[in-house]
Amino acid sequence: KAGVTQTPRYLIKTRGQQVTLSCSPISGHRSVSWYQQTPGQGLQFLFEYFSETQRNKGNFPGRFSGRQFSNSRSEMNVSTLELGDSALYLCASSLRLGSHEQYFGPGTRLTVT
Amino acid sequence: AQKITQTQPGMFVQEKEAVTLDCTYDTSDQSYGLFWYKQPSSGEMIFLIYQGSYDEQNATEGRYSLNFQKARKSANLVISASQLGDSAMYFCAMREGSSNTGKLIFGQGTTLQVKP
Repeated sequence: KAGVTQTPRYLIKTRGQQVTLSCSPISGHRSVSWYQQTPGQGLQFLFEYFSETQRNKGNFPGRFSGRQFSNSRSEMNVSTLELGDSALYLCASSLRLGSHEQYFGPGTRLTVT
Repeated sequence: AQKITQTQPGMFVQEKEAVTLDCTYDTSDQSYGLFWYKQPSSGEMIFLIYQGSYDEQNATEGRYSLNFQKARKSANLVISASQLGDSAMYFCAMREGSSNTGKLIFGQGTTLQVKP
């Protein structure tokens, strides 16, 4: 069974640009969560999706948005990039909301210059 | 507010010895879940072990066990017989009370280095 895949793995963008990151959950998993990991703030929750609906949202500005498609794949978008958005963005999938086991992808490392 | 504290930024352990990674938590919820994840240098977070707040027995998964002391609000990870491949960052995390969310709150992590 394939694991969680995230594309692209690495990305370099310039301040002011926008970026879209993609996450494909494990087959059959319907819940997808996104996290931002930085050296200063650690791991912080961004959003959570289940059945194409955002179920939970972290404390991030409106520049951060996401969505989930009918096949459970999810995308997150960051508009008007800032230097502080440089981070490892991790996606996690689980069978259902609240499942004990969440499986993380390898992450997308975003660098904003 | 819910919070996870890992007070050990870095730890060293000799290969084949046991090591305990500390984690304390703060929550007003009666129902919650505690998790440990391993993050190698590759970046991927690997689920290790889970403990529910109502579980009476400490969770174990192979060489990993969770020393759950509810009254002290601690959930320490014990790794027995350390291996070189255990060198990684370890995160303690908590899920909020509602079972209808997978949102995790993470601690700052502990870097473990296993010496040969």
